[in-house]
Amino acid sequence: DAGVIQSPRHEVTEMGQEVTLRCKPISGHNSLFWYRQTMMRGLELLIYFNNNVPIDDSGMPEDRFSAKMPNASFSTLKIQPSEPRDSAVYFCASRWTSGSSYNEQFFGPGTRLTVL
Amino acid sequence: QKEVEQNSGPLSVPEGAIASLNCTYSDRGSQSFFWYRQYSGKSPELIMFIYSNGDKEDGRFTAQLNKASQYVSLLIRDSQPSDSATYLCAVTGSSNTGKLIFGQGTTLQVKP
Repeated sequence: DAGVIQSPRHEVTEMGQEVTLRCKPISGHNSLFWYRQTMMRGLELLIYFNNNVPIDDSGMPEDRFSAKMPNASFSTLKIQPSEPRDSAVYFCASRWTSGSSYNEQFFGPGTRLTVL
Repeated sequence: QKEVEQNSGPLSVPEGAIASLNCTYSDRGSQSFFWYRQYSGKSPELIMFIYSNGDKEDGRFTAQLNKASQYVSLLIRDSQPSDSATYLCAVTGSSNTGKLIFGQGTTLQVKP
């Protein structure tokens, strides 16, 4: 199994530019999570999807951030316009959600974003 | 008050010693508790989970949960230099939607 795939692995952009991060979850998983990690704030959940439907986007910082999951095998996180304070590592994670049982959440390798 | 609190460390222990990592949480209705390990520059990986009060052992790792005190800990026996990493405590909320709330993490350094 390939695991969670994220692209790009590194992104350097200038303030004001649009940034799109991509994620392919593990095949068969029906929940997908986007996290942001910084030294100051730690690992924060931005948004998560169950069966391609956004369930909780309360962690999305502001309107500049948007996320989509058009199908079970692909999700994007877009920042428009980007700002230097968006610099962070963005992780995508996926898991199989079934009833009340908890199954392991697998993280992708992350995208390191630098906004100059 | 943060929802999940950990001492950021670094916690330094000699090789072969027991490392004790602690975590407190604010939501009394939380039901599931997890410990993730994150090496520098890598993504978090799950090492232990616990649902019930008491101890759960897996090899050199023991997770301890005390729901009355809203406290969860991770003990690492016979610590090795390869255990040096940041350990993240994560908790599901009382709504049990599967959403994980992470602590800031404790950095562990195991010195040879």
